[in-house]
Amino acid sequence: GDSVTQMEGPVTLSEEAFLTINCTYTATGYPSLFWYVQYPGEGLQLLLKATKADDKGSNKGFEATYRKETTSFHLEKGSVQVSDSAVYFCALNTGANSKLTFGKGITLSVRP
Amino acid sequence: NAGVTQTPKFQVLKTGQSMTLQCAQDMNHEYMSWYRQDPGMGLRLIHYSVGAGITDQGEVPNGYNVSRSTTEDFPLRLLSAAPSQTSVYFCASRLTGEYGSPLHFGNGTRLTVT
Repeated sequence: GDSVTQMEGPVTLSEEAFLTINCTYTATGYPSLFWYVQYPGEGLQLLLKATKADDKGSNKGFEATYRKETTSFHLEKGSVQVSDSAVYFCALNTGANSKLTFGKGITLSVRP
Repeated sequence: NAGVTQTPKFQVLKTGQSMTLQCAQDMNHEYMSWYRQDPGMGLRLIHYSVGAGITDQGEVPNGYNVSRSTTEDFPLRLLSAAPSQTSVYFCASRLTGEYGSPLHFGNGTRLTVT
């Protein structure tokens, strides 16, 4: 079945540090890939997505590139801010009508 | 622009009590789903629906019932609450038939069963 593996957390960084959060996947078919963010006390929000190989999703300074050859969708940001402190989830789905499969999420804390 | 609305935000139940978590969306999404979120477990799918009158089980359906009589509403019923159902519950919806369509989430219901 489909699965998503995220790097273990939590992650603590200083403001303006570079961020990488790893995500790899296993899927039957050709998945769409997503990153969601959850701020404290809120639901998940879509951060970015990519629907085909070599696509780059980007939003709010975050980027992730769909790498079919390595089955990866790593999230990066060049300079994190305190306001980026949240839980980040990688997810996929493999068809227009299929369920989303989520990774376990990783907590990012950014200190001033 | 309401999106996905969940009620209540917080609930405390005693073991054995029943309740219904409400979920409504105003985006005309065919697909709706319920997840529970527990520390270290990520999000686990409870039940989902691809349209009015159609429901199916996810990973952890035991102890929960759903129905989908309208496109807008997808309530989750706990018939006899257990402490193991203490969790944060999220309802989410999306368009179907559109590749890459993302899920839209409500703000969650935090349930405690004592």
